[in-house]
This record gives sequence, structure tokens and C-alpha cells, in this order.
Amino acid sequence: NAGVTQTPKFRILKIGQSMTLQCTQDMNHNYMYWYRQDPGMGLKLIYYSVGAGITDKGEVPNGYNVSRSTTEDFPLRLELAAPSQTSVYFCASSRDGNEKLFFGSGTQLSVL
Amino acid sequence: AQTVTQSQPEMSVQEAETVTLSCTYDTSESDYYLFWYKQPPSRQMILVIRQEAYKQQNATENRFSVNFQKAAKSFSLKISDSQLGDAAMYFCAYTTGNQFYFGTGTSLTVIP
Repeated sequence: NAGVTQTPKFRILKIGQSMTLQCTQDMNHNYMYWYRQDPGMGLKLIYYSVGAGITDKGEVPNGYNVSRSTTEDFPLRLELAAPSQTSVYFCASSRDGNEKLFFGSGTQLSVL
Repeated sequence: AQTVTQSQPEMSVQEAETVTLSCTYDTSESDYYLFWYKQPPSRQMILVIRQEAYKQQNATENRFSVNFQKAAKSFSLKISDSQLGDAAMYFCAYTTGNQFYFGTGTSLTVIP
């Protein structure tokens, strides 16, 4: 059972470049989330989804976009990367919004 | 606004001793769920314990237990018989069923 799979694990971007962080889960979870983790700041919610075709903004959505065309996949798109987007990104899923979060292994992104 | 506060950025404990990590939260909801997550240097997020707010009994998982004070909006984590493998960042989290909110974390050092 793979759980939540994130790719890539590491990435360096130049300012202004774009990229997509991939996230897929094989647990048939309805709820999926994208967080960013900055040193000393905990985890901040970027976007979340409560089911295929439904997405909503979290605390820090600016500069990001998401889509949820299937239950399994929840990609995060960065357009026009900026140094402020240097962070560790985590994808997570949950059976429903009250159960434990299952996390991916994270993506270390640097924007230089 | 929903907030989670961890007032101890760093804590240390002697191996085999007991340590308590503090967490307070702010909410106007009556039904919610609280969590403690552990993040070792591997970066993987691991669920330590979960508490349902409607349950008065404090949750326990082996050496980990919580002191849940609903009126005070306090949710502390007690680690008994601390082991070297307990060294990690610990995050308190809260959800009402959609978004999960995380505190800024407490870095726990275990001294041999």
C-alpha cells in the first residue's frame, strides 16, 4: 500500500519558472490537502479538496493553483516562481475531514 | 480565526523521564478534533495521538497521553519514559472537519 506519493522530492527553480508538484493517493480518500512548511512557522494550508471536482483556498493560496479531476490525484501548480515560495511542500489525504491525515514524504523546493 | 499556539519552541528531557508539551487553540466551534503529530529528521509526519472534543476521557497511546481541557482550550501532550527515538518536532493540530490548522511546533531533544 503506497499511501500518499509526492513527486519530485527535490527541485530547484529559477525565478519566473513554473512547475507542478504531483500528489497521488491510493486509499480512496475524499479529502486532500497541500501544505507548505517554513522554518519556525509550522504547516500552512495552501489548498484543499473535499472530493473530485471540488477545491478551495486555504490560508496561503496566492501564487498557486490546484485541480482535482480524479479522487486519486491532486496536483499543485506554481506559476511564475518567486523566492518566497522556497519551502517544503506536503501533500496529505484523509478519509474524511476528522480522521488522521496521511502525509506524503514532502518536496523540498528552492527558488533562486 | 482558528489558531493553534505552541508556546515552547524547544524542550529537552532526560532519557526515561517525562516531558509535557503545551498546546492551546482558539475556536468558537463545539465539535472538533485535536491531534499531535511527530516529525523526525526524516521529515515524515507521523500521527502520535488523536482526541475527539466531545469525549471527556483523555486519549492515550502507549507512552503518550494528553491532558485535554476543553474549557481552557488546552491540549497538552505527555511523553512518559522518554526514549532517544522520541527526539523530533511535535506539532499540535486542530480540525472541525475541513481544514486542519497546525501550531508552529516544539522541538524535543532527548538527552541520554
